[in-house]
Amino acid sequence: QKEVEQNSGPLSVPEGAIASLNCTYSDRVSQSFFWYRQYSGKSPELIMSIYSNGDKEDGRFTAQLNKASQYVSLLIRDSQPSDSATYLCAVKLRGGGGNKLTFGTGTQLKVEL
Amino acid sequence: DGGITQSPKYLFRKEGQNVTLSCEQNLNHDAMYWYRQDPGQGLRLIYYSQIVNDFQKGDIAEGYSVSREKKESFPLTVTSAQKNPTAFYLCASAVGDQPQHFGDGTRLSIL
Repeated sequence: QKEVEQNSGPLSVPEGAIASLNCTYSDRVSQSFFWYRQYSGKSPELIMSIYSNGDKEDGRFTAQLNKASQYVSLLIRDSQPSDSATYLCAVKLRGGGGNKLTFGTGTQLKVEL
Repeated sequence: DGGITQSPKYLFRKEGQNVTLSCEQNLNHDAMYWYRQDPGQGLRLIYYSQIVNDFQKGDIAEGYSVSREKKESFPLTVTSAQKNPTAFYLCASAVGDQPQHFGDGTRLSIL
């Protein structure tokens, strides 16, 4: 089992719809969770961080964390074509000294007109 | 502006050659990281450093070397021992438990 797993996609949603991206992780005691957006050929850009169970909202983005089920998700409301990118889930696993993160392979999102 | 600067943007390596990728940050971050990304893959950690003059191997350190002589700088050398160096190399920095932020990356190819 991979330490951090994401569905590679592509996930296609129509413009204006809600995009739901999911990530599961193997280490039950992980404490820090991050979502990065990466456009093709560019470097990752942090869009959300979440540290405690529940929802965290920032504009059109909502991160959801469920530590008991070991998953973290990202919802994008009112999806726009500019949201088309690969979304990387990153987790600070137990023993992650030095703030080491483990990344999933990313989910490609396509927002269609 | 504060940020992380990687150079060059594109780099070509000949057989048997060592090449060095530059990473400089003016964010006053203690920790710096090097990742490698292959097409369609996530990021894999090569080396990281939490303080000056100290660094640790990540998951794929073989064929790479680093130094951390200054807080602002964390150069990565891709040695000739790295037989498959073609990839997108990303440098990141962070302070405490805050998220990592990335530079724009260096794309390395083989001539």
